[in-house]
Amino acid sequence: DAKTTQPNSMESNEEEPVHLPCNHSTISGTDYIHWYRQLPSQGPEYVIHGLTSNVNNRMASLAIAEDRKSSTLILHRATLRDAAVYYCILRGSNAGGTSYGKLTFGQGTILTVHP
Amino acid sequence: DTGVSQDPRHKITKRGQNVTFRCDPISEHNRLYWYRQTLGQGPEFLTYFQNEAQLEKSRLLSDRFSAERPKGSFSTLEIQRTEQGDSAMYLCASSLSGDLLNYGYTFGSGTRLTVV
Repeated sequence: DAKTTQPNSMESNEEEPVHLPCNHSTISGTDYIHWYRQLPSQGPEYVIHGLTSNVNNRMASLAIAEDRKSSTLILHRATLRDAAVYYCILRGSNAGGTSYGKLTFGQGTILTVHP
Repeated sequence: DTGVSQDPRHKITKRGQNVTFRCDPISEHNRLYWYRQTLGQGPEFLTYFQNEAQLEKSRLLSDRFSAERPKGSFSTLEIQRTEQGDSAMYLCASSLSGDLLNYGYTFGSGTRLTVV
């Protein structure tokens, strides 16, 4: 699996935007970029994913660099409930567009949100 | 559907005992995954099923570990002769195959195993 690199930790203030970076310089053309987060004492939760274009959903936005070697998860207004570990994961797919089975997690970024 | 359910939530066992955990996935999901997570680390992949077939097993899954999904619905993970190093959170997740357009995995809340 292609590797991702994330900062160990980041801090933010409540109601401010948060930009969580991820480097994936060895990404292949068929790798999707997935983000999950894990709140304390819970299993990971899907946040967003994308391939080439920027993506938005109700939880966050994903900005993907033109060369796809990096991406940024954007939380537009951080709340205390967004304090979690955020994982950036590359998920491969085959030529038919079907994803491979497993997700490979790194250590993620611990996001602390201050009131 | 209430999501992915895991039972029990917590298990304390003595070293050398056998333990079994159960996972009930989202009913329409045909893929089911087991992960293990220790403190401060990301989840580590153990194994996954597509329907009742076990398609991949990690090298982490020693011969003391066995997983089954007999009817392609719920799954069990058994650890025989537990060791203190088995203490971890065991997470189950489910998804649909051919799922690049779906919303990824849905995880359960995990079973926390403590071996004393």
